[in-house]
Amino acid sequence: DTAVSQTPKYLVTQMGNDKSIKCEQNLGHDTMYWYKQDSKKFLKIMFSYNNKELIINETVPNRFSPKSPDKAHLNLHINSLELGDSAVYFCASSPSRRDTQYFGPGTRLTVL
Amino acid sequence: QKEVEQNSGPLSVPEGAIASLNCTYSDRGSQSFFWYRQYSGKSPELIMFIYSNGDKEDGRFTAQLNKASQYVSLLIRDSQPSDSATYLCAVNEGSQGNLIFGKGTKLSVKP
Repeated sequence: DTAVSQTPKYLVTQMGNDKSIKCEQNLGHDTMYWYKQDSKKFLKIMFSYNNKELIINETVPNRFSPKSPDKAHLNLHINSLELGDSAVYFCASSPSRRDTQYFGPGTRLTVL
Repeated sequence: QKEVEQNSGPLSVPEGAIASLNCTYSDRGSQSFFWYRQYSGKSPELIMFIYSNGDKEDGRFTAQLNKASQYVSLLIRDSQPSDSATYLCAVNEGSQGNLIFGKGTKLSVKP
């Protein structure tokens, strides 16, 4: 059983396109997150979502929008993709905001 | 700007030696501290967490926390080649509770 899963694993697309990455957790956790890991391997939080409360990292462009249909899912939609969006995106979940976070396998996004 | 600082390495140790990884953080309100291991091309996986000052041991791993000095460390005893990875220090940010990650220390254990 995969605790935190993401689809797709790889995503290659052209500049200007709109794409979505999906995340699901079967751990019963209340909080989910999206992180971006750039080419220098720096892991930075983008969003956290807890009981319909969204906390946004102020440095994230508004082209990025998280969508949570229910507690087990947190999807990431990206509009008008740019070259600088190329990175690995990780979803994570935790029982509550201050608990240990468990990461999904990542989605490698390449924008051409 | 709340920060977590780590030496990027690479830190190279011979097999069987003790590897010492260090981390400092800026947010005095932080209460939870984590060490994650990340193999190349994989996702971060939790090694240890520590909440209280002092040492916490789990097998070959020991986490050390000194809140007064705002310092966290991870010791890996009897290092193995399979320990070769990037080790990420993460600190729970005081107000929102989000994790702030350091840039990671790359550890290489030579046979």
